[in-house]
Amino acid sequence: AQSVTQLGSHVSVSEGALVLLRCNYSSSVPPYLFWYVQYPNQGLQLLLKYTTGATLVKGINGFEAEFKKSETSFHLTKPSAHMSDAAEYFCAVTPGGFQKLVFGTGTRLLVSP
Amino acid sequence: SQTIHQWPATLVQPVGSPLSLECTVEGTSNPNLYWYRQAAGRGLQLLFYSVGIGQISSEVPQNLSASRPQDRQFILSSKKLLLSDSGFYLCAWNAPMGTGGRASGNTIYFGEGSWLTVV
Repeated sequence: AQSVTQLGSHVSVSEGALVLLRCNYSSSVPPYLFWYVQYPNQGLQLLLKYTTGATLVKGINGFEAEFKKSETSFHLTKPSAHMSDAAEYFCAVTPGGFQKLVFGTGTRLLVSP
Repeated sequence: SQTIHQWPATLVQPVGSPLSLECTVEGTSNPNLYWYRQAAGRGLQLLFYSVGIGQISSEVPQNLSASRPQDRQFILSSKKLLLSDSGFYLCAWNAPMGTGGRASGNTIYFGEGSWLTVV
């Protein structure tokens, strides 16, 4: 069975600082991995995804994530935080990319001036 | 382009009353459809998914049901709401595996969500 663990329910950074949101997964088959962002009272928007190929994936809004099979990780980073990045971020995994997307519990990113 | 709509956006219902949340997808055919629930302070839980008209799979036993009367329509229902049914409900879709285009089968797209408060 697949599962996702997001370390830290809340992460606080200052504007301009590095953003690092951690995600570890377990999967019995090669995983497809996703990061979604949710702004208050809205649905989820896809930030980026890893399926196959290059392990460093670039997404929207300057975010990127690196798939590390040996560490079963897919951490999300951004070099410089903006106030507009404040939101909840979800990591998700699906076996072979079809159905039953399994989500982590989410990490709320707080950005202070 | 493909779009997804769900409504109502917010709903306040008394315990024991019925529920109907509706979701439609436009710009695609034969989508996979999903209902997720996000309870306060928790992650997303898959409730139901459907790969075709009349085909519904339930992920967890609960007080809710789902139906797919048309190819691009997905309805979440309850005959009698419980307090524990409160939460943020999200409809989602993706293309079946093997189809091309912008919406590949390995990305799920979400609607804007419906806030349900049971009082």
